Amino acid sequence: QQQVKQSPQSLIIQKGGISIINCAYENTAFDYFPWYQQFPGKGPALLIAIRPDVSEKKEGRFTISFNKSAKQFSLHIMDSQPGDSATYFCAANLFSYNTDKLIFGTGTRLQVFP
Amino acid sequence: KAGVTQTPRYLIKTRGQQVTLSCSPISGHRSVSWYQQTPGQGLQFLFEYFSETQRNKGNFPGRFSGRQFSNSRSEMNVSTLELGDSALYLCASTQTGDYEQYFGPGTRLTVT
Repeated sequence: QQQVKQSPQSLIIQKGGISIINCAYENTAFDYFPWYQQFPGKGPALLIAIRPDVSEKKEGRFTISFNKSAKQFSLHIMDSQPGDSATYFCAANLFSYNTDKLIFGTGTRLQVFP
Repeated sequence: KAGVTQTPRYLIKTRGQQVTLSCSPISGHRSVSWYQQTPGQGLQFLFEYFSETQRNKGNFPGRFSGRQFSNSRSEMNVSTLELGDSALYLCASTQTGDYEQYFGPGTRLTVT
């Protein structure tokens, strides 16, 4: 019930294409859904996040689409660039015992070729 | 503002030893969370500290412990190291009242 399922495991996109990564969850108590980008040898960096009362959020080339009834959310990267090549993690926040805890998806390795 | 810093960045230890990792949060952030990242298990929550108190703990054995100091700096300790403890240990800090967690670069622990 606390899992966040992420797909695909890996994604190969040509420069200029649209990258789409999907996540699904079961626990309706999750109250915040961030996406993180991680480059090799670095910690995850917060990319964009959404609350469940919003269906879409856009920041530059990055868009989160959120479907509350289906318990799914996705990250769209428009005009994908080689510099976007990284591992992307979706996450869901669970508030319990007066504190927040992030539950992470398993990650998607994105490779963008020129 | 400086980001989250973690020391050391790399560590090699032998089975049975213990290790202490350090994390300095972003200035003004009072909440510090620790995560373990491995290729097999992904990113898993270890514990969270706020105002020197552990508020939440993940499903890890008692060999994993932590503490937070009055300046919000945090340490985690792993005793009786096992080969399976080899991982990237990440620390994240959060400002009170916010959801956003900001991660440090991690400490790469290798147990031989």
